[in-house]
Amino acid sequence: DIQMTQSPSTLSASVGDRVTITCRASQSIDTWLAWYQQKPGKAPKLLIYKASSLESGVPSKFSGSGSGTEFILTISSLQPDDFATYYCQQYKTFSQTFGQGTKVEIK
Amino acid sequence: QVQLVESGGGVVQPGRSLRLSCAASGFTLSSYGMHWVRQAPGRGLEWVAVISYDGSKIYYAESVKGRFTISRDNSKNTLFLQMNSLRAEDTAVYYCAKAKYTGTGQLDYWGQGTLVTVSS
Repeated sequence: DIQMTQSPSTLSASVGDRVTITCRASQSIDTWLAWYQQKPGKAPKLLIYKASSLESGVPSKFSGSGSGTEFILTISSLQPDDFATYYCQQYKTFSQTFGQGTKVEIK
Repeated sequence: QVQLVESGGGVVQPGRSLRLSCAASGFTLSSYGMHWVRQAPGRGLEWVAVISYDGSKIYYAESVKGRFTISRDNSKNTLFLQMNSLRAEDTAVYYCAKAKYTGTGQLDYWGQGTLVTVSS
């Protein structure tokens, strides 16, 4: 199975900050990577697919980059609504896997 | 609009069975792969199982292989997860999710989840 590792596990940031979250795959997944946002008690929401494509309706302050085994999610100008947990997910294979999550907290 | 509604969760004793359902509406279920993803209390997301649009391809996470069965009834727009030999570690919110494509792909719509608690 392909393992996904996110860093950091927790990120403390202030409103207006630019933050980056890293996701590494245990083997190449080309660009078959998605990013999700999850708020407490809610289902995950798709933000980015194919490593860098923005899902319809998602603000352009979210961006993704990377290919192969290393990927980055960037959130520019963090707003109160962005404090949540973010997950990467590989879908190169039918047996998908998620990263362990990165919680973005208010500093 | 696309809607996924899970049902069937509850409290069950270890070793017993439970069947989850996911009612789909707002799209043609028979055109898309469908997944189950779970989240234990206070933990991250864990992918559980996938079934391709026509049921011809099915895959499971190692943690549930041999105990869980995913199936679909496209005529009734419903996805299922039969869970047997349940363990305490299966306690989680179970989400059904629609894949963007016929099998794998990013998960573009999710249900609200149904809680399964395995406890004596």
